[in-house]
Amino acid sequence: KAGVTQTPRYLIKTRGQQVTLSCSPISGHRSVSWYQQTPGQGLQFLFEYFSETQRNKGNFPGRFSGRQFSNSRSEMNVSTLELGDSALYLCASSSVPGGGAYEQFFGPGTRLTVL
Amino acid sequence: GEDVEQSLFLSVREGDSSVINCTYTDSSSTYLYWYKQEPGAGLQLLTYIFSNMDMKQDQRLTVLLNKKDKHLSLRIADTQTGDSAIYFCAESYSGYSTLTFGKGTMLLVSP
Repeated sequence: KAGVTQTPRYLIKTRGQQVTLSCSPISGHRSVSWYQQTPGQGLQFLFEYFSETQRNKGNFPGRFSGRQFSNSRSEMNVSTLELGDSALYLCASSSVPGGGAYEQFFGPGTRLTVL
Repeated sequence: GEDVEQSLFLSVREGDSSVINCTYTDSSSTYLYWYKQEPGAGLQLLTYIFSNMDMKQDQRLTVLLNKKDKHLSLRIADTQTGDSAIYFCAESYSGYSTLTFGKGTMLLVSP
């Protein structure tokens, strides 16, 4: 079974631009979560989607948004990029959102650098 | 609010046991997890423990949970150089999907 895939793996943007990251979950998984990882703040939850609906959202500004498609693939978008948005963005998929041990399987991440 | 804390660094010799510690503040945490992150990679779920358990063993890994002190530990027996990585402790609540992570402990295993 293929794991979680994220594209692109690396991205360089300049301040003010916008970016879209993509995540394909494990086949059969319907829950996708996004996390931001930075050296200073560590791993922080962005949002979670299940069956095309956002179930939870972390404490991030409205510049960060996401969506999920009917095939469970998810995208996240960051508009008006700031230097502080430079981070590793991790996507995780799960077969069941919440309800017991939450076994999330992570992708390799997209490394975003904002210049 | 919730907070998960870990020591930042641990260095051991190959063949020794490693013990990585974590403390959490939210007593309503239901599940506690250990993840491993190798350089340039995502997170790999190693093991998890339900909050009504005291201990869980899985091959070389032993998880101990002291709910009274809100203390979680991960013991790696016979540590190998391939175990060198960053280890994250995380908590979640049944019915919710948000994981709250600690800042991670870098484990360095020397030959």
